[in-house]
Amino acid sequence: DAGITQSPRHKVTETGTPVTLRCHQTENHRYMYWYRQDPGHGLRLIHYSYGVKDTDKGEVSDGYSVSRSKTEDFLLTLESATSSQTSVYFCAISSGSETQYFGPGTRLLVL
Amino acid sequence: DQQVKQNSPSLSVQEGRISILNCDYTNSMFDYFLWYKKYPAEGPTFLISISSIKDKNEDGRFTVFLNKSAKHLSLHIVPSQPGDSAVYFCAARRYNFNKFYFGSGTKLNVKP
Repeated sequence: DAGITQSPRHKVTETGTPVTLRCHQTENHRYMYWYRQDPGHGLRLIHYSYGVKDTDKGEVSDGYSVSRSKTEDFLLTLESATSSQTSVYFCAISSGSETQYFGPGTRLLVL
Repeated sequence: DQQVKQNSPSLSVQEGRISILNCDYTNSMFDYFLWYKKYPAEGPTFLISISSIKDKNEDGRFTVFLNKSAKHLSLHIVPSQPGDSAVYFCAARRYNFNKFYFGSGTKLNVKP
């Protein structure tokens, strides 16, 4: 299994509060991704990174920001959480070959 | 606009029979296609892939077929086993980028 961890694994927060999710990899892969999984929608790309300090938006980036100051860490921030951001969040990594590897996920509930 | 579509939300198959999961895509710039398997409360795991220059790739019980003219791919599982029960996602990568687009998933139930 690829060395990917996500923290926290579960979080409950209130509307309007900031939330930061962390993805950490030990594979030294160039590319990192944040997805959200919702029923009926599959996996939708929020943001991705193609190198340190190099990031780009995905399909559903509104309300989210990211940062990558080190190769191994990719942070996803919800500046002001809303109930529509209740979801399961997955981080993924890729070396630039054709395959992505996923972390175990973070289950976020916004009340 | 969803570029990768899995039109069957669920599929039920008897153990030992063939499972066929389907996926359609719209973007002709996709050059690589993947299937992932996901169990509840876990991250998706890579299952099998195929390059756009091929029309078939086989790995044990799993075979992926690609029909570029129809923009269609399918995953065949033979024989199906109860442990194959999971949600299966197809995904496509856009040529020259490293962005992946996923379908909405098909939940496979293999009955003993």
